[in-house]
Amino acid sequence: NAGVTQTPKFQVLKTGQSMTLQCAQDMNHNSMYWYRQDPGMGLRLIYYSASEGTTDKGEVPNGYNVSRLNKREFSLRLESAAPSQTSVYFCASSEQTTGGMETQYFGPGTRLLVL
Amino acid sequence: GENVEQHPSTLSVQEGDSAVIKCTYSDSASNYFPWYKQELGKRPQLIIDIRSNVGEKKDQRIAVTLNKTAKHFSLHITETQPEDSAVYFCAARKRNAGNMLTFGGGTRLMVKP
Repeated sequence: NAGVTQTPKFQVLKTGQSMTLQCAQDMNHNSMYWYRQDPGMGLRLIYYSASEGTTDKGEVPNGYNVSRLNKREFSLRLESAAPSQTSVYFCASSEQTTGGMETQYFGPGTRLLVL
Repeated sequence: GENVEQHPSTLSVQEGDSAVIKCTYSDSASNYFPWYKQELGKRPQLIIDIRSNVGEKKDQRIAVTLNKTAKHFSLHITETQPEDSAVYFCAARKRNAGNMLTFGGGTRLMVKP
């Protein structure tokens, strides 16, 4: 049981280049999320998918697109990278339990540097 | 939307002392408040959570208290140990907002041996 996995672990891009960050979970969770983490800013939600076939914008969606490929996989695409997108990106998944409690399980993160 | 403020941003304590981290939230419709711990270079992991119908929850050396009227909640760590050194994040989830969490800015806790 690998939990949440992300690829790549580290990426350097030039301004204007595009790339897709991959995320997969093997816990059969319905919900998946993409966050970015910047120093002193905590975790900010970019997009989320409450279930297969649905996606919704989070707090900071501009410059990103997502695809919920199936129940396991949720990818994040940067069409034209900008230096402001330099950050650590975390994917997470969750399942709400009886009583409304929920644990989000995070992947190991992708460190992205845009020059 | 929801806004979560977290204080202090850094906290240094002596091993064995207690540590308290405080968060305030803006939306009275929030009903779920988890705390995550992130060690250096690692992923965030849930350490404790509480629902709005509960005032306090404890798990060994950690506890969370919630004051709905004042819209604030706190993490208490007793008998701190060097392995408690990490960044701690509070979060809030609004009722009827799916599973979206809004995170605070984080507190870097340093436990000095």
